[in-house]
Amino acid sequence: NAGVTQTPKFQVLKTGQSMTLQCAQDMNHEYMSWYRQDPGMGLRLIHYSVGAGITDQGEVPNGYNVSRSTTEDFPLRLLSAAPSQTSVYFCASSYGQTNSPLHFGNGTRLTVT
Amino acid sequence: AQKVTQAQTEISVVEKEDVTLDCVYETRDTTYYLFWYKQPPSGELVFLIRRNSFDEQNEISGRYSWNFQKSTSSFNFTITASQVVDSAVYFCALSSGEGGANSKLTFGKGITLSVRP
Repeated sequence: NAGVTQTPKFQVLKTGQSMTLQCAQDMNHEYMSWYRQDPGMGLRLIHYSVGAGITDQGEVPNGYNVSRSTTEDFPLRLLSAAPSQTSVYFCASSYGQTNSPLHFGNGTRLTVT
Repeated sequence: AQKVTQAQTEISVVEKEDVTLDCVYETRDTTYYLFWYKQPPSGELVFLIRRNSFDEQNEISGRYSWNFQKSTSSFNFTITASQVVDSAVYFCALSSGEGGANSKLTFGKGITLSVRP
């Protein structure tokens, strides 16, 4: 049972480049979300999804897109990378939306130069 | 609006000391859930405990205990006889509402605990 799998683990981008962070879970969880972690800021919600075909914005959505075509996958797209997007990104899923414990992926460390 | 405050940013203790990590929350909802997560130096985030707003019983799990007090809007975490392996960043989080699509999960900024041998 793999849980939540994020790829890649590390990524370096130049300003203006685009990329997709992949997230997949094999627990049949309906709720999935993306967070970014910055020093001294805790975890901030970027986007979330309560089921296939349904997504919504979190606290810091600007510069990011998501889609949820299947229950398993929830990719995060950076449209035009900026240095302010340098961060550690975590994907998480849970069974019962936000009142259930989150299962986190191992994170993606992204650096934008 | 909901808010989680972890006023302590860094705590350093010597092994075998007891340490309490504070968490104060704000919400207008009567139904809510509180969580603690641990992030060891390896970077992964690990769920420790969930408590709902209707259950004020304290919880003990080995060396870990949690004190939930609605009167002071606090959900504090105590590690008894700390060990080096307890060194991590600890996050408190709050989810208010019934857990439906409009509920939000808010994290505190985290407390970095260093346990020295």
